[in-house]
Amino acid sequence: TQLLEQSPQFLSIQEGENLTVYCNSSSVFSSLQWYRQEPGEGPVLLVTVVTGGEVKKLKRLTFQFGDARKDSSLHITAAQPGDTGLYLCAGVPSNYQLIWGAGTKLIIKP
Amino acid sequence: DTGVSQDPRHKITKRGQNVTFRCDPISEHNRLYWYRQTLGQGPEFLTYFQNEAQLEKSRLLSDRFSAERPKGSFSTLEIQRTEQGDSAMYLCASSSIHRGAGYTFGSGTRLTVV
Repeated sequence: TQLLEQSPQFLSIQEGENLTVYCNSSSVFSSLQWYRQEPGEGPVLLVTVVTGGEVKKLKRLTFQFGDARKDSSLHITAAQPGDTGLYLCAGVPSNYQLIWGAGTKLIIKP
Repeated sequence: DTGVSQDPRHKITKRGQNVTFRCDPISEHNRLYWYRQTLGQGPEFLTYFQNEAQLEKSRLLSDRFSAERPKGSFSTLEIQRTEQGDSAMYLCASSSIHRGAGYTFGSGTRLTVV
């Protein structure tokens, strides 16, 4: 069974601080997606990383796919209250069905 | 296209009643997925369709759950004889058939069984 473990499960920090969220697996994925979800809404796709070692930037968010395509990280620089939400990673294995992490609940305090 | 639409947004029902939810996906998307999500957790896969064919159903899904996508467009998810444990957010998503295509989610239906 393929699993994706996210860490930390919960993170509460002050505005302006940096943070990193991790998504790890023992399985190889053809690609990995990151979503953000706000309360009462469905997840919204942020980025898809495809190539091992790939780095993608979305304003203050930096996404990295591990060289072996088994893990990924999301780094947020100078976090803002608007970054608050549930961050989910999802791996794409060979059979197209996404494998979801349990999510990291992020709270940025003003 | 206005994205993925789900109806209703909220549903409160008494235990034992049947409920039906509707999802209208993005029209160009062939794949449609149903997920269930409880507070603070990631989405839990229920089932998915490619066009009108239901290709996979979670083994966790009891026989009280059934989904249809009769014309390959909108889909319905029915829960019969609801139980309190069915209370959750039910999410619908659609995607193209390309491997690794991102999912577009609806806003979900929040079900509360009392």
